[in-house]
Amino acid sequence: DQQVKQNSPSLSVQEGRISILNCDYTNSMFDYFLWYKKYPAEGPTFLISISSIKDKNEDGRFTVFLNKSAKHLSLHIVPSQPGDSAVYFCAASGIQGAQKLVFGQGTRLTINP
Amino acid sequence: NAGVTQTPKFQVLKTGQSMTLQCAQDMNHEYMSWYRQDPGMGLRLIHYSVGAGITDQGEVPNGYNVSRSTTEDFPLRLLSAAPSQTSVYFCASSSSVLGGQPQHFGDGTRLSIL
Repeated sequence: DQQVKQNSPSLSVQEGRISILNCDYTNSMFDYFLWYKKYPAEGPTFLISISSIKDKNEDGRFTVFLNKSAKHLSLHIVPSQPGDSAVYFCAASGIQGAQKLVFGQGTRLTINP
Repeated sequence: NAGVTQTPKFQVLKTGQSMTLQCAQDMNHEYMSWYRQDPGMGLRLIHYSVGAGITDQGEVPNGYNVSRSTTEDFPLRLLSAAPSQTSVYFCASSSSVLGGQPQHFGDGTRLSIL
């Protein structure tokens, strides 16, 4: 049973526009949600996280929104840049579970010039 | 500033062979994990450790052993390789057990079992 789901395998966005990546989860016990970015032949790198007690967290061009009632979160990238082309993973953990992340399947984002 | 180092980067094994995937971190992190990434399935947790001498199973532990004799090293052993273990393996470490704290990942080991 997939507890964290990213239902869009790929997304294509024009440079300068907004990219919106979506993630759904089923386990209401998750307390933290994280987004990672992955380039080919590299490991995932941390982008941004949000606690379940918040509904928004912002870091530069990246904003994560959390809707607990819908068990849904999204990552907004504004404006999108060519270097943002990568695979994006949504992940979740409990309060003391930083070493036990549950990942979604990933979404491949392509930024077109 | 090496971070998390995984060796080897690539390996081809025959069914039934054994091998050890190495993982070392130089950040003095207590918490380390092993994940495998398969197409369409994201990363799945194999084993994790909360300190030297302490390990526990993740979501997909069967066929893998781990040990943690030092803070720096967290090797993953395949006892008898099977084609189903063909995957990309990632090691990660974090400085805190608190959720929301980022894990730092190595660049992975791509393993093929023939």
